[in-house]
Parts: sequence; structure tokens; C-alpha cells
Amino acid sequence: DAGVTQSPTHLIKTRGQQVTLRCSPISGHKSVSWYQQVLGQGPQFIFQYYEKEERGRGNFPDRFSARQFPNYSSELNVNALLLGDSALYLCASSLTSNQPQHFGDGTRLSIL
Amino acid sequence: AQTVTQSQPEMSVQEAETVTLSCTYDTSESDYYLFWYKQPPSRQMILVIRQEAYKQQNATENRFSVNFQKAAKSFSLKISDSQLGDAAMYFCAYRSGLDGSARQLTFGSGTQLTVLP
Repeated sequence: DAGVTQSPTHLIKTRGQQVTLRCSPISGHKSVSWYQQVLGQGPQFIFQYYEKEERGRGNFPDRFSARQFPNYSSELNVNALLLGDSALYLCASSLTSNQPQHFGDGTRLSIL
Repeated sequence: AQTVTQSQPEMSVQEAETVTLSCTYDTSESDYYLFWYKQPPSRQMILVIRQEAYKQQNATENRFSVNFQKAAKSFSLKISDSQLGDAAMYFCAYRSGLDGSARQLTFGSGTQLTVLP
């Protein structure tokens, strides 16, 4: 079975632009979480969705938004990009919100 | 809020030897889970081992084992018979077990493990 897949792998944007990152969970997994990992740090929680409903939100500004689709895939949107948004964005899926999370390879976002 | 602290930014071990990575955490909850994840240069975060707080027995997965000291809020990872493929960044993580919580992972800052041939 395929693991968690994220697209694109790399992305370069300029300040003020908007970006959409995509995540497909492991087949059968209904929970998706998003994390931001700045270089040299541990991942920081952004959002969690379960059964298409937001179950949690980390300490990120309203420029960050997400949604989960009926097939349980998810998108993370970031508006008005700042230099500080440069990071590796990780998606993780789990069978339910209570099961261990399995991560994708991430999307490397660079802001110029 | 829960916090996770990894006080060793870097560690090194000789191939075939044993190494212990430290982690402490702070929480007021009684029901929670602790994890060790491995992140090689390929970037994918790989689950190494998991411990439920209500279990007194330390978790073991092949060459990986933990020393869970609940009262001291300590959760160290021991890697036995270290292999070159164990070289990676290791993250300790906490997750609440409370009903209704978001169940997100709170990560430490990581320990970069180097395995010397």
C-alpha cells in the first residue's frame, strides 16, 4: 500500500503570494494532520482534520487554512507568504485521531 | 501546555555500540502517549517506538527500547548494536490521550545521531 503522499516536493514562491500544498493519506486513514518544520527545529502542529472536520489548530495566524475532502485527502493553504514561512511542511495520517501518525516526505517551501 | 525537551543536540556512537538519547517532558495530564521518531536526510519522519503512559512496562522494538520514568517525566531511547543506517535526527514527541483533544504531536528539538564506522 502507498504511504502518505505529498505534492509538490519542492516549491519556490515570493513574498505576498499564496500557496496550496496537497496530501493524500494512507488508504483507509481518516485523520490528517499538518506540521511546519523550520530548519533545525522539531515540527510544529498546524491543523488536524478527522472525518472532514477540523479537530485542532495550532498557534498559527489566520493566513494558514486547511480542509479535508470526502476522500480524506487534504489541502493546506497559506496566504500572503512571509519569508518566515520557509519550511518543510509535513502531512501525517492516522486511522483515527487516536492512532499513531504516519508521515509523508513533506513539501519544501522556499520564500524569496 | 505540554512541552518536550531534548537536551542533547548531537550524539555520536561507534558502530555496534549502544547509545541512549534523552528526553524529558512536562504535562499535567495522566493519560498520554510518548513517541520516538527518526528523520533521516530523506526527510520522512519514521515512527521508531511508542509508549502508553498507563503501561509500566517499557516498550521494545528489536534493537530499540525505552526507559520510561513517569514520575520523573523522562523518556529515553536506547539503541543497541548501532548500525550505520541508524544515523538520523531523532525526535521525542508527546500526544495527549484525553477524549476530545486534538491528539496532535508535540515534538522536542531533536538529537542528531552520528554512527561512526
